[in-house]
Amino acid sequence: AQSVTQPDIHITVSEGASLELRCNYSYGATPYLFWYVQSPGQGLQLLLKYFSGDTLVQGIKGFEAEFKRSQSSFNLRKPSVHWSDAAEYFCAVGGYSGGGADGLTFGKGTHLIIQP
Amino acid sequence: EAGVAQSPRYKIIEKRQSVAFWCNPISGHATLYWYQQILGQGPKLLIQFQNNGVVDDSQLPKDRFSAERLKGVDSTLKIQPAKLEDSAVYLCASTILDTQYFGPGTRLTVL
Repeated sequence: AQSVTQPDIHITVSEGASLELRCNYSYGATPYLFWYVQSPGQGLQLLLKYFSGDTLVQGIKGFEAEFKRSQSSFNLRKPSVHWSDAAEYFCAVGGYSGGGADGLTFGKGTHLIIQP
Repeated sequence: EAGVAQSPRYKIIEKRQSVAFWCNPISGHATLYWYQQILGQGPKLLIQFQNNGVVDDSQLPKDRFSAERLKGVDSTLKIQPAKLEDSAVYLCASTILDTQYFGPGTRLTVL
């Protein structure tokens, strides 16, 4: 069965500091990997995705993530955080079958707090 | 391009009552999903439609939850009767290829 682990429930970072959110996955085939962000009362917004090719992917809002197959990881990074980055971040894994893109399996999320 | 629309945004009911949620996906998106997000957790897939056929409903509590997708466009998710543990945000998503786009969700509170 597929699963996603986000080991950090909460992370506090000072504004302007760098950020890394961890994500480990378990998936039987080649995974499709995603990072979504959710602000209070909002739906999920896609930050970036990995399907194949270059293992370092760039996303919106200055985020990037690196796929490491040997470590089953897909960590999210940002070199300098802004107060507006405070939100809940979800890593997700899925695949693709004859019925279209499979439903995603999400981690429990990491709550990011930005200190002034 | 308009996003995924959901209504209502909020709903408060008492246990044992019934409730229905509506979703209008992005135009042309053949695949539609319903997720349940309980407070403090990530979303969990309830059901996946491809056009108006069910692809995956393995995690849908079929004794109380039902869903349909009329004419391969709009979808409704129903709970009857509701339990306290159904309090959650219900998210609808759609995709044409491989990236799912989510609606704002319906926050359900069961008292």
